[in-house]
Amino acid sequence: GQQVMQIPQYQHVQEGEDFTTYCNSSTTLSNIQWYKQRPGGHPVFLIQLVKSGEVKKQKRLTFQFGEAKKNSSLHITATQTTDVGTYFCRGESNFGNEKLTFGTGTRLTIIP
Amino acid sequence: DAGVIQSPRHEVTEMGQEVTLRCKPISGHNSLFWYRQTMMRGLELLIYFNNNVPIDDSGMPEDRFSAKMPNASFSTLKIQPSEPRDSAVYFCASSLVSGIYQPQHFGDGTRLSIL
Repeated sequence: GQQVMQIPQYQHVQEGEDFTTYCNSSTTLSNIQWYKQRPGGHPVFLIQLVKSGEVKKQKRLTFQFGEAKKNSSLHITATQTTDVGTYFCRGESNFGNEKLTFGTGTRLTIIP
Repeated sequence: DAGVIQSPRHEVTEMGQEVTLRCKPISGHNSLFWYRQTMMRGLELLIYFNNNVPIDDSGMPEDRFSAKMPNASFSTLKIQPSEPRDSAVYFCASSLVSGIYQPQHFGDGTRLSIL
């Protein structure tokens, strides 16, 4: 089936720098969810975006859904060591019976 | 409230042995998902159930894998016979109504090592 692609696969940043991960789909999505998985842990739901062009914020995290509903981004301002982990997007499509699942993930490491 | 409960947390066994992974979803959730996570393949959806009925098992790697959900509060994922390439972390997740606009809640996973 189709897959949601994420870039970059890995990102190393100095503590205090910003970080952005991008999620891209070849088909229009009905909604997109973001999850965070700490090292050794399990994915934990962060947020869901539904509307075209939607922007949501959670403290230092900003989530955007593209106007065409085919891409999304997660931006972290002034990263902290607690931001370490892998960030996944999960997209869903209403076209036919095809359902998308989790993206490939972006692993973020922080250099203190 | 209790989250998704998986057992065992760790399993080490020799190839050829049968492995059974267990999952108890969050009470009231009517969708259940089994995932496999490896460094090479990332997070793969194996199968999911709606109201105890398997809906999509296209992610199940081969006939050695089988999953059941005999009731709303219990599911198993069985591998028989197991092979070293099955080594991975297996996650169970549950949600209200499959997929549509509902977040998934994950268990802590079972770390499986096949020697």
